[in-house]
Amino acid sequence: AQSVAQPEDQVNVAEGNPLTVKCTYSVSGNPYLFWYVQYPNRGLQFLLKYITGDNLVKGSYGFEAEFNKSQTSFHLKKPSALVSDSALYFCAVRETSGGSYIPTFGRGTSLIVHP
Amino acid sequence: EPEVTQTPSHQVTQMGQEVILRCVPISNHLYFYWYRQILGQKVEFLVSFYNNEISEKSEIFDDQFSVERPDGSNFTLKIRSTKLEDSAMYFCASSVRDSPSNYGYTFGSGTRLTVV
Repeated sequence: AQSVAQPEDQVNVAEGNPLTVKCTYSVSGNPYLFWYVQYPNRGLQFLLKYITGDNLVKGSYGFEAEFNKSQTSFHLKKPSALVSDSALYFCAVRETSGGSYIPTFGRGTSLIVHP
Repeated sequence: EPEVTQTPSHQVTQMGQEVILRCVPISNHLYFYWYRQILGQKVEFLVSFYNNEISEKSEIFDDQFSVERPDGSNFTLKIRSTKLEDSAMYFCASSVRDSPSNYGYTFGSGTRLTVV
């Protein structure tokens, strides 16, 4: 079975500071990993994904995430946060082989960037 | 940019009543999905739909739930007799294909269902 955990309900950071939103996962084989963002009154939008290759993945809006197999983590990062980054962030995982293509989502982390 | 549209944005219904949540997927997408998120909990998969039939469903998707693509553009989720615990945000999503990398999912902005 696949699962994902986002241990923080909320992350607060000052504008201009680096931000990290944490995600850990559990799969029986190798994972596909995703980050989505939800702005107020909008649907979940795809940010980035890890399929294979480089452990550091770059995505939209200056975000990046690092796949760490030994720690089973896929933390989302940005070097310098903007107030406009304030949103709900969802991590998702699915197995690379077998099973379905349906990803499992976490419960989301609310990122609040203070001016 | 094409969007998945969900209506209504918020619906309040009495326990035991039937509700229909509506979604208009992106026009060239072939795979359709419903997810829900109970407040403070995970986003949970409900059902996927392809070629006019359910391709996969979760344990949550019991006999009280049904999905339909009545007219080639809308994709609906019906809950026959709502319970208090059905209160949640319901997300519709669509994708061009059921690809391994999944990144083609496009989500709607959700319908908040409140059962009183």
